[in-house]
Amino acid sequence: DAKTTQPPSMDCAEGRAANLPCNHSTISGNEYVYWYRQIHSQGPQYIIHGLKNNETNEMASLIITEDRKSSTLILPHATLRDTAVYYCIVRPSLMDSNYQLIWGAGTKLIIKP
Amino acid sequence: DAGVIQSPRHEVTEMGQEVTLRCKPISGHDYLFWYRQTMMRGLELLIYFNNNVPIDDSGMPEDRFSAKMPNASFSTLKIQPSEPRDSAVYFCASSSTPGGRPSYEQYFGPGTRLTVT
Repeated sequence: DAKTTQPPSMDCAEGRAANLPCNHSTISGNEYVYWYRQIHSQGPQYIIHGLKNNETNEMASLIITEDRKSSTLILPHATLRDTAVYYCIVRPSLMDSNYQLIWGAGTKLIIKP
Repeated sequence: DAGVIQSPRHEVTEMGQEVTLRCKPISGHDYLFWYRQTMMRGLELLIYFNNNVPIDDSGMPEDRFSAKMPNASFSTLKIQPSEPRDSAVYFCASSSTPGGRPSYEQYFGPGTRLTVT
């Protein structure tokens, strides 16, 4: 399984775009990049996932570099409610013998007023 | 949809007592996962079910832990006897298989905060 590296913490001003980086230099061709977040005292929440094309939904945008070794999650207009720990996870597209999401330490994003 | 429902939200018990955590997955989801989260170890998968059948329980810490899924709308995680090191937040999650393929898009419940004294 590809390992991911994320900064332990980041700050962002309310109303600005929050850009969260993730390095996954050992990613293989069939592995997707998934993003989750966990707001304090809540369960993790799925945000978005992608393979190689950029993806956008109502919550965020995911930009994956052409070589797929890194990606950036973008929250276009961050609000205080976006303060959370953000997890970047790499998983294969098909279930393997170990059907798990491997959770690292994530990035603690703090949105400041 | 109400989302994944877990009960109780908080549980405080004494060492040696039996603890039962409950989960109702999202209707129509055919995968159910039990996770444990602690500051030291982060989020760990304990066991998961597909169509009510346990598929992988390699994350269950020891025989004191057991999980069942008697039907598609209910699962339990039982700890007997409980120990202080079992104190953690326990999450239940569910997912579906769009197009017949497993999805890593999991929907988590609010969790049960267990304290064993």
